[in-house]
Amino acid sequence: NAGVTQTPKFQVLKTGQSMTLQCAQDMNHNSMYWYRQDPGMGLRLIYYSASEGTTDKGEVPNGYNVSRLNKREFSLRLESAAPSQTSVYFCASSDPPGRGEEAFFGQGTRLTVV
Amino acid sequence: SQQGEEDPQALSIQEGENATMNCSYKTSINNLQWYRQNSGRGLVHLILIRSNEREKHSGRLRVTLDTSKKSSSLLITASRAADTASYFCATREGAGGTSYGKLTFGQGTILTVHP
Repeated sequence: NAGVTQTPKFQVLKTGQSMTLQCAQDMNHNSMYWYRQDPGMGLRLIYYSASEGTTDKGEVPNGYNVSRLNKREFSLRLESAAPSQTSVYFCASSDPPGRGEEAFFGQGTRLTVV
Repeated sequence: SQQGEEDPQALSIQEGENATMNCSYKTSINNLQWYRQNSGRGLVHLILIRSNEREKHSGRLRVTLDTSKKSSSLLITASRAADTASYFCATREGAGGTSYGKLTFGQGTILTVHP
């Protein structure tokens, strides 16, 4: 049982380059999330998807776009990477409020923008 | 700004001692959850407490929730070196809120348990 799978695990980008972080879950969860984690800042929500076809901004959405391709997959795109986007990115999934609630996390993507 | 704020930011104790971490939040919630993160890894769910509950236990973990003070605490009893990790509280806002369904994290407490 794979749970939540993120790819890639590590990435180095040059300023201005674009890339897409992939996330897939095999638990049939409706809700999916993208977070970034910076030292001393905990996890900050970038985007949230309550179900297939819906997305909503979190605390720090600027510079990012997302696609909820289907129930399993939720991708995060950086159109023009900036050094401020150097961070560890986590994808998570859960059942919606009232069912399950526990969020399951991927192992993270360490992104460095130079 | 983030929903949850945790205190202390770092905690260092000896094996066998108890560890207490606190979390405060700002809006009304449906539930509050605690997660653990080992260095460089993803987060793992520990325990969930609903807004109508005051206390919950799971093994060596005890969580309390005071909705009037918008605060929660996590107690780890008889700590072990293997408990060394970062601990985060997370809140899920109740229905009717602008952030309904979203899971919002605090900044975390770094716990170090010395053998």
